[in-house]
Amino acid sequence: DTAVSQTPKYLVTQMGNDKSIKCEQNLGHDTMYWYKQDSKKFLKIMFSYNNKELIINETVPNRFSPKSPDKAHLNLHINSLELGDSAVYFCASSLQGTFYEQYFGPGTRLTVT
Amino acid sequence: KQEVTQIPAALSVPEGENLVLNCSFTDSAIYNLQWFRQDPGKGLTSLLLIQSSQREQTSGRLNASLDKSSGRSTLYIAASQPGDSATYLCAVPSGGYQKVTFGTGTKLQVIP
Repeated sequence: DTAVSQTPKYLVTQMGNDKSIKCEQNLGHDTMYWYKQDSKKFLKIMFSYNNKELIINETVPNRFSPKSPDKAHLNLHINSLELGDSAVYFCASSLQGTFYEQYFGPGTRLTVT
Repeated sequence: KQEVTQIPAALSVPEGENLVLNCSFTDSAIYNLQWFRQDPGKGLTSLLLIQSSQREQTSGRLNASLDKSSGRSTLYIAASQPGDSATYLCAVPSGGYQKVTFGTGTKLQVIP
């Protein structure tokens, strides 16, 4: 039973393309997040959604657009991909009732060539 | 702005040794503190979550403590095993429960 799932696991694409990463959680959580882990393994929050509403946008370029069709899904669309977008992107979710303990997806490794 | 630092950045110990990982944060107005492990090429696995009102949490061989006033948390691993080899990360939400800042991580290697 996968708790937080992401697709695809790997994504290789060329500069200038547009791509999407999907995230789904079956935990009944009300908050979802996107993180970026760079080549130095540092994790940085990008977006946070609570009940389908954007709460946090940590100075992410507007080429990145999150979309939350419902509480169980938070997708990440990236326009005009750049070399610097190459990283591992993690989706996570949490619930107020469990003090916002976060559960992470397996990650999507994006490589821009 | 919250800054979270973990020391040491890397640690290598023989199997069976007890060890302590450190996490320091600059803004003590935290909602909770969560410890994770990350295996190479994998996602993050939650180990322990300490609420801001708690002093410590225990799970099996792991014990995490929290001292908000000094801006510190420690993760104690008893009787380390090679399977404990991974990168350990701490994370704190501050300025709102959703603004999460991760530490720089400690890469642990337990030698058989």
